Formats: sequence, C-alpha cells, structure tokens
Amino acid sequence: AQKITQTQPGMFVQEKEAVTLDCTYDTSDQSYGLFWYKQPSSGEMIFLIYQGSYDEQNATEGRYSLNFQKARKSANLVISASQLGDSAMYFCAMREGDDKIIFGKGTRLHILP
Amino acid sequence: DVKVTQSSRYLVKRTGEKVFLECVQDMDHENMFWYRQDPGLGLRLIYFSYDVKMKEKGDIPEGYSVSREKKERFSLILESASTNQTSMYLCASSLNFGGENYGYTFGSGTRLTVV
Repeated sequence: AQKITQTQPGMFVQEKEAVTLDCTYDTSDQSYGLFWYKQPSSGEMIFLIYQGSYDEQNATEGRYSLNFQKARKSANLVISASQLGDSAMYFCAMREGDDKIIFGKGTRLHILP
Repeated sequence: DVKVTQSSRYLVKRTGEKVFLECVQDMDHENMFWYRQDPGLGLRLIYFSYDVKMKEKGDIPEGYSVSREKKERFSLILESASTNQTSMYLCASSLNFGGENYGYTFGSGTRLTVV
C-alpha cells in the first residue's frame, strides 16, 4: 500500500489564485515528519516546508502553509497568491523512524497567466 | 552555501557498461541517499548510508550497488547498465535523526540514458 498518496497528477490554476495540493499519508508511528518539495523544470529539488507530527500549529513559510489534519492523516500544501514561477512538480514526503523519507508520486502544477 | 554535488548532469552509456554516479556533500552529513525518479512513479529509494562503509538497501536495489569510503562521498554503481535503468538519479544527504529534521538537501540530479 502506498504510504504517501497524491491524488492530483496535474493541476491548472489561474495566476494570483490560491492553490491546494492534496496529500494523505499512512503510518502507524507516533513520531513522523511531513515535507513538501518543489521541483522546477531544471530538476533540482527545493525544500518548501516541514511539519512534525507533534507540532500543534500548522507550519507556514511565506506563501506556503501546510494544512495538517492528523486524525485524517492529511498534509495538504496551500500556496497563496500563486505566481507563474510556482509552475513545477510538487512532492509530498514523509519521514518515519529511521530517517528515510518516502515520496509521493507528485503533482504537476501549471500556473496560467 | 552548503551543497550536494553530483558529478554529471547528463550521461549517456551503452548497455552492459559499468557506470559510476558520484555524489559529494560538504555539510558533514552522516546520511546519504540515492533515488531514481521516473514519470508517474515519483522518487524511489535505491540505497542509503548512515555512516562510512555502511549501506542499506532501499526499495529498488536490484542492479545497483553503492560505495561509501569517505563521509562526504557516496557513489552509485550500475554493474551492467541496462536500458531500463535510463532515469533521473538524485542524491541527497541529511543529518542524523534524533532531533529536528528538516529533510534532505538534494543534488541537481544526473539524467542517465542507457542506449
């Protein structure tokens, strides 16, 4: 069974609109971490945001926020006021236990002018 | 600026060749990882290492081996390259788990084509 599920293979969003990228995860650990990475067409993986399983508040980093719903095992990424430069592949990922990180299959986001 | 450096951005090799992909990090990180990325499959873990001379199999180790003789260098070896190993290969490093962990630092990737 998949540990990280991203149900949106691709999304098209108008510039300046807010975007929500979905991510659900599966773990029986009490201690884990959730990540979002951005991969532009150049290929590098850029760390965006991190949420620890014991963090009570949703993580925020500039225009990025992570909507963490622990009971639902959901960790959606919200991008406010989208920009053309946000067009990229986005990966949700989870670390459990031994420091390996497992990635979802990704969502390709297209921002339309 | 801290870095993970992969020696080649693009590589073309012939079927049956032995291929070395090199990764070097300058952050004194204990952990290093090799992933391959394929469309529709995301990133899949090939091998990882928690320390010098230590290695652990990831989810798809078949056809690959690794070497970590020095802390800063983690090499991925394709013993006999095959066309199904054509892929993007990403190296990453991280500090040991035990406290706050903000994830990996990635290299810029090596796009390998086996012909």
